[in-house]
Amino acid sequence: ETGVTQSPTHLIKTRGQQVTLRCSSQSGHNTVSWYQQALGQGPQFIFQYYREEENGRGNFPPRFSGLQFPNYSSELNVNALELDDSALYLCASSPELNTEAFFGQGTRLTVV
Amino acid sequence: AQSVTQLDSQVPVFEEAPVELRCNYSSSVSVYLFWYVQYPNQGLQLLLKYLSGSTLVKGINGFEAEFNKSQTSFHLRKPSVHISDTAEYFCAVSEIQGAQKLVFGQGTRLTINP
Repeated sequence: ETGVTQSPTHLIKTRGQQVTLRCSSQSGHNTVSWYQQALGQGPQFIFQYYREEENGRGNFPPRFSGLQFPNYSSELNVNALELDDSALYLCASSPELNTEAFFGQGTRLTVV
Repeated sequence: AQSVTQLDSQVPVFEEAPVELRCNYSSSVSVYLFWYVQYPNQGLQLLLKYLSGSTLVKGINGFEAEFNKSQTSFHLRKPSVHISDTAEYFCAVSEIQGAQKLVFGQGTRLTINP
């Protein structure tokens, strides 16, 4: 059984560009959540997808958007990148709502 | 809304000494409580969770935590630490109802000295 995998592991983007981060949920998991972890901070909830529908959103602007596919993998898209978007982006999957979340290794995004 | 306060940003201890990492939370609704560990350049790993029942919860790697509802605390303890316990530890809560949105504290860096 493979765990939660995220790609890429690292990337560097220029301010104003757009980025797509990907997450493959653990087998049998239909819920995916995304978190942003700035350096030296705890993770902050961005949004959650349950069975391909958004199921809750944190305090992030609309330029942060997401998608969940029929196989329950997910994408996080960020438009008009800002320097403050530099962070570790974590994906977590769960077998159902309100069950234990399993985290991936994260994608380290640097905006220059 | 919920909030989590981890009272110590850094905790240095000697190997084989006991340790307690403190966590207080605030919520107007019932919550689940969690402790996660993050090793350098890695994601988060669940140490333990409190959902209901016994207020003393045992987790992996010899860690345990006690839920105290009256003090809204969920402190993490280990009787004897090892060098390998050096990591960042995060306390988190989530509402029992609705989306499992984890609200994390700022983290406590545990450093084990030989």
